[in-house]
Amino acid sequence: RKEVEQDPGPFNVPEGATVAFNCTYSNSASQSFFWYRQDCRKEPKLLMSVYSSGNEDGRFTAQLNRASQYISLLIRDSKLSDSATYLCVVIHTGGFKTIFGAGTRLFVKA
Amino acid sequence: SAVISQKPSRDICQRGTSLTIQCQVDSQVTMMFWYRQQPGQSLTLIATANQGSEATYESGFVIDKFPISRPNLTFSTLTVSNMSPEDSSIYLCSYYRDSYTGNEQFFGPGTRLTVL
Repeated sequence: RKEVEQDPGPFNVPEGATVAFNCTYSNSASQSFFWYRQDCRKEPKLLMSVYSSGNEDGRFTAQLNRASQYISLLIRDSKLSDSATYLCVVIHTGGFKTIFGAGTRLFVKA
Repeated sequence: SAVISQKPSRDICQRGTSLTIQCQVDSQVTMMFWYRQQPGQSLTLIATANQGSEATYESGFVIDKFPISRPNLTFSTLTVSNMSPEDSSIYLCSYYRDSYTGNEQFFGPGTRLTVL
């Protein structure tokens, strides 16, 4: 079993749709959690951090459930520009080890 | 965040040769990392580049194949030695920044390597 698992995707949604991505992690010692976005042929870039209290940034909402070891990302009112691969990222702070999920591909169509 | 750059941005190499990739950060950072991203795959950590000591390699990666230098707090190199087509990949360098939100990680633009 992979240490970080994500929805396999791809997700094909129309503009304006709401889409949710899920991610689970297996190491309970994981300390920090993030969603990264990677555009085609580009490097990953931080989208947002994920907290137990939940955090929102415009159309994006991230949530962490430590008890279930589950992370989610919700995108509302999808735009064409949201088309990308979304990577779930878990960091073991003690060893500064970053684990990347395989990514979920999102296609938003007009 | 500090600006992080890599060169070359891409290269096409012959089997059996070696390529050295350079990574430059415009401010001092404690920890730098090298990742590989093979086509259609996510990122895999190759090693942590430590300033003043040998790099720490992840399982499946060895120093003879991927020698790393870290001469100072702003620069690192990764060499892909005795290349084979299986080494065709994107190689990314990265650094951590401690912030109030936790450990944030930033990536260079990547080096796209094709081995013939």
